[in-house]
Amino acid sequence: GNSVTQMEGPVTLSEEAFLTINCTYTATGYPSLFWYVQYPGEGLQLLLKATKADDKGSNKGFEATYRKETTSFHLEKGSVQVSDSAVYFCALDNYGQNFVFGPGTRLSVLP
Amino acid sequence: EAGVTQFPSHSVIEKGQTVTLRCDPISGHDNLYWYRRVMGKEIKFLLHFVKESKQDESGMPNNRFLAERTGGTYSTLKVQPAELEDSGVYFCASSRDVNSYNSPLHFGNGTRLTVT
Repeated sequence: GNSVTQMEGPVTLSEEAFLTINCTYTATGYPSLFWYVQYPGEGLQLLLKATKADDKGSNKGFEATYRKETTSFHLEKGSVQVSDSAVYFCALDNYGQNFVFGPGTRLSVLP
Repeated sequence: EAGVTQFPSHSVIEKGQTVTLRCDPISGHDNLYWYRRVMGKEIKFLLHFVKESKQDESGMPNNRFLAERTGGTYSTLKVQPAELEDSGVYFCASSRDVNSYNSPLHFGNGTRLTVT
């Protein structure tokens, strides 16, 4: 079946530090991959997405590249801000089958 | 456009009681999904409506959970009777199409359910 694994949190960084949140997946075929973010007190928001191998999704300074060979979709940001503190969820969607989410990684950015 | 709205935002009930959660999807979105996150674990799929029909309810944990979407607009999720392990955050999402790349899921803020 389909599954998503994320690095366990919480992750605590200082402002302007480099961020990597690892995500790997298991799926048949070629799923679409997503990162969703949940800010405190809010719902899930789509952060970025990629639909095929080597695609790079990017938004708000965050990037993730769809790596078919390593079945990964790691999230990166070069310089985090306090406002990036949130829970980040990696997810996949396999040809209209229902979304499968990872467990989420809580990020705290300290000033 | 207005987003997906869920009500209530929080609910605290005692074991054995009944709770009904409501979700209003984005207008025009035929696809409506319920998910839940229990005890900080992964977000798990519960069920999927296409208009008023249940497309997939394979994620519903047991028969204490009943979801409806009469008229294909808003949806309700009833838990009766509630158990302690039902505590968690229940998310609703909607999309225009099933193809997620062109029509991504839009999530509500969730309902935090606490069963004591």
